[in-house]
Amino acid sequence: KAGVTQTPRYLIKTRGQQVTLSCSPISGHRSVSWYQQTPGQGLQFLFEYFSETQRNKGNFPGRFSGRQFSNSRSEMNVSTLELGDSALYLCASSLATGGNTEAFFGQGTRLTVV
Amino acid sequence: GDSVTQMEGPVTLSEEAFLTINCTYTATGYPSLFWYVQYPGEGLQLLLKATKADDKGSNKGFEATYRKETTSFHLEKGSVQVSDSAVYFCALSARAAGNKLTFGGGTRVLVKP
Repeated sequence: KAGVTQTPRYLIKTRGQQVTLSCSPISGHRSVSWYQQTPGQGLQFLFEYFSETQRNKGNFPGRFSGRQFSNSRSEMNVSTLELGDSALYLCASSLATGGNTEAFFGQGTRLTVV
Repeated sequence: GDSVTQMEGPVTLSEEAFLTINCTYTATGYPSLFWYVQYPGEGLQLLLKATKADDKGSNKGFEATYRKETTSFHLEKGSVQVSDSAVYFCALSARAAGNKLTFGGGTRVLVKP
């Protein structure tokens, strides 16, 4: 069974631009969560989508947004990029939502803002 | 809010040594607790979990017990191998927060032959 697929794996963008990252969950999984990983702040929760609805949101500015499609694939968008947005963005998929279901992580998209 | 504190690394060990990584948490209610492992260049993999007090999670020789009285979930392995070199993350999920995971800062473990 295929794992969680994130595309692209690497991105370089310029300050002020916007970027869209994609996540394809494991087949049958309806929950997709996004995390930002940086050396300074560690792993921080961005948002969770379940059945196309945002279920929970972390403490990030409105420049960070996401959506989920009917096939459970998810995208996150960051507008007006800042240098501090450079990070590894990880997507996790779960079969259901509820707190104790296993989350399967993709390899991440490494975003560099210059 | 919810938080997880784990010992800072790096932790450097010789093969076959005993490993322990301390993890304590702050949360309202009774969260589920997890240990995830991240190998270089990869995403996170679930290592083990416990969903209620006194539960013991175990996998691949690693163990951790959910201690409500000390709000702790320490990770242990009796005899490490070079292949255990990775970054280990303790995390919690509060029941009312869906699948949101709150992570500790991570502990890098390096096992030398």
